[in-house]
Amino acid sequence: QVQLVQSGAEVKKPGASVKVSCKASGYTFTGYYMHWVRQAPGQGLEWMGWINPNSGGTNYAQKFQGRVTMTRDTSISTAYMELSRLRSDDTAVYYCARDPWHSSSYDYWGQGTLVTVSS
Amino acid sequence: QSVLTQPPSVSAAPGQKVTISCSGSSSNIGNNYVSWYQQLPGTAPKLLIYDNNKRPSGIPDRFSGSKSGTSATLGITGLQTGDEADYYCGTWDSSLSAGGFGGGTKLTVL
Repeated sequence: QVQLVQSGAEVKKPGASVKVSCKASGYTFTGYYMHWVRQAPGQGLEWMGWINPNSGGTNYAQKFQGRVTMTRDTSISTAYMELSRLRSDDTAVYYCARDPWHSSSYDYWGQGTLVTVSS
Repeated sequence: QSVLTQPPSVSAAPGQKVTISCSGSSSNIGNNYVSWYQQLPGTAPKLLIYDNNKRPSGIPDRFSGSKSGTSATLGITGLQTGDEADYYCGTWDSSLSAGGFGGGTKLTVL
């Protein structure tokens, strides 16, 4: 069965960086785009970008350009999202989500990783 | 500042039907597929509808989706207390080259 398992919660200081992992299993990792979505406490969903695990190509939301880097390691079927220069308003749950139809629809989601930014 | 617009809340009695609207523009809903998600407290979103009106396997036919022009609608019939959740619409925006979601709608089953 398809599973996306994310790394554990992180606490970071303002200005630091965080790298969240998303390990895929149960399907061909390189066959499906992976998107990253975040949700601040009590707020809605916010799209951050996608990575093509086959080519490594990426597309980031303009809001995160210059601060976010999405990568993958095909040998271990894992996608990564690194966010730098963290601010307090980056405190959120970060999700990876699989897009099987390349239409920005997500059929499987990771369990989420809480990133807390606090001094 | 969500790309798509949803009502903040809707409510209905058990057994009744409810609809949730999602409004966008020609650059997003008007020319791209719409998906709908259910999010229970403390859990990841769950796909209910993709490609405007298709249900993934395992999603009951009480859930339906439709699209007309630059708006989309999620319908839920035979409401159950377990349907109480936040619901989000999502799509791609061709002008922004970015994904986008509505602000979410909280469903209360009275």
